Amino acid sequence: DAGVIQSPRHEVTEMGQEVTLRCKPISGHNSLFWYRQTMMRGLELLIYFNNNVPIDDSGMPEDRFSAKMPNASFSTLKIQPSEPRDSAVYFCASRTGGNYGYTFGSGTRLTVV
Amino acid sequence: AQTVTQSQPEMSVQEAETVTLSCTYDTSESDYYLFWYKQPPSRQMILVIRQEAYKQQNATENRFSVNFQKAAKSFSLKISDSQLGDAAMYFCAYYNTNAGKSTFGDGTTLTVKP
Repeated sequence: DAGVIQSPRHEVTEMGQEVTLRCKPISGHNSLFWYRQTMMRGLELLIYFNNNVPIDDSGMPEDRFSAKMPNASFSTLKIQPSEPRDSAVYFCASRTGGNYGYTFGSGTRLTVV
Repeated sequence: AQTVTQSQPEMSVQEAETVTLSCTYDTSESDYYLFWYKQPPSRQMILVIRQEAYKQQNATENRFSVNFQKAAKSFSLKISDSQLGDAAMYFCAYYNTNAGKSTFGDGTTLTVKP
């Protein structure tokens, strides 16, 4: 089991550019979560999916943020256009139905300059 | 809305000693789960221990144990025989089974002194 795989591990981009973060959950896990971690706001839930369907996107900060899960093994979080205040570590996590604990990916550190 | 409060931003412990990290939560639900996660400098969030709210017995995982006080809505983590590798930020999390998602506290940074 390779765990939850996120890419890229680091991303530096210029303000206004589009950024796409990727996540591959653990096979068999039917829930996937996107979190953002900053010093000021801690861990914030952005969106989560059950069986590839978005259930709660109330944490998505603005229309600049969008997330998709086209199949059970892949999800993306897109920011367009990116802004310096989007700089953070973005985590993807997944879990299986009977186990409410999350398995996290290694995160993507996004820096928008 | 559920809230999770970790009142200790930083804690330190001497190697081989015992330390307790505090966590309180607020909920009107009866069915929920509580977790402690560890985030070392490598950034990877790791599940340390879980507690089902319907269980009275406190969970233990090797050197890690919890003190779950449901009426007081308190969920502390005790680390026994602390090791240098325990140095990390620890997050308390509340999982709402109805909402299907977790709420995290702000974390406690634990330093282990040799």
